[in-house]
Amino acid sequence: KAGVTQTPRYLIKTRGQQVTLSCSPISGHRSVSWYQQTPGQGLQFLFEYFSETQRNKGNFPGRFSGRQFSNSRSEMNVSTLELGDSALYLCASSLRQSSTDTQYFGPGTRLTVL
Amino acid sequence: AQTVTQSQPEMSVQEAETVTLSCTYDTSENNYYLFWYKQPPSRQMILVIRQEAYKQQNATENRFSVNFQKAAKSFSLKISDSQLGDTAMYFCAWATSGTYKYIFGTGTRLKVLA
Repeated sequence: KAGVTQTPRYLIKTRGQQVTLSCSPISGHRSVSWYQQTPGQGLQFLFEYFSETQRNKGNFPGRFSGRQFSNSRSEMNVSTLELGDSALYLCASSLRQSSTDTQYFGPGTRLTVL
Repeated sequence: AQTVTQSQPEMSVQEAETVTLSCTYDTSENNYYLFWYKQPPSRQMILVIRQEAYKQQNATENRFSVNFQKAAKSFSLKISDSQLGDTAMYFCAWATSGTYKYIFGTGTRLKVLA
């Protein structure tokens, strides 16, 4: 089975722009979660989507949004980019069949904001 | 708020030796899950081992085992017969039962020396 894939792998944007990141989960996985990884803050949960609905949300401003499609693929959007948004953005997928299935992570999208 | 603490930012171990990585967490909940993930340099994060809080028996996966002390809220990872490929950042994570919002520690950078 193919693993979690994320596109693009690298992005460079300037302040004020917006960006969309994409995540394709492992086949059969219906839940997709997004995390932001930075050297200062570590790994922080952004949100989780299941059945095209946001199920959980972390403590991030409204500039961070996401959605999930009927094929379970997910996109994350960040509007009005700030320098502090530079980070590795990881998505993780899981079956979501039991109380807490293991999450499997993708390689990440490294976003640099100039 | 739930927190996960990894008090060892960096560790090193000689090849074939045993090393233990520490993790403590703070929660008032009774049903939760604990994980150790490994993130090799420039590579994606992979699950090392998982422990259900309701299970008293410590989880093991080949050379990896945990020492789960629920009362002390401690979840350490023991790596036996360390190999060069074990060089990575190791993250401890916690999730309450029924959610897919993982709380991560700040990580321990492990270097295995030849």
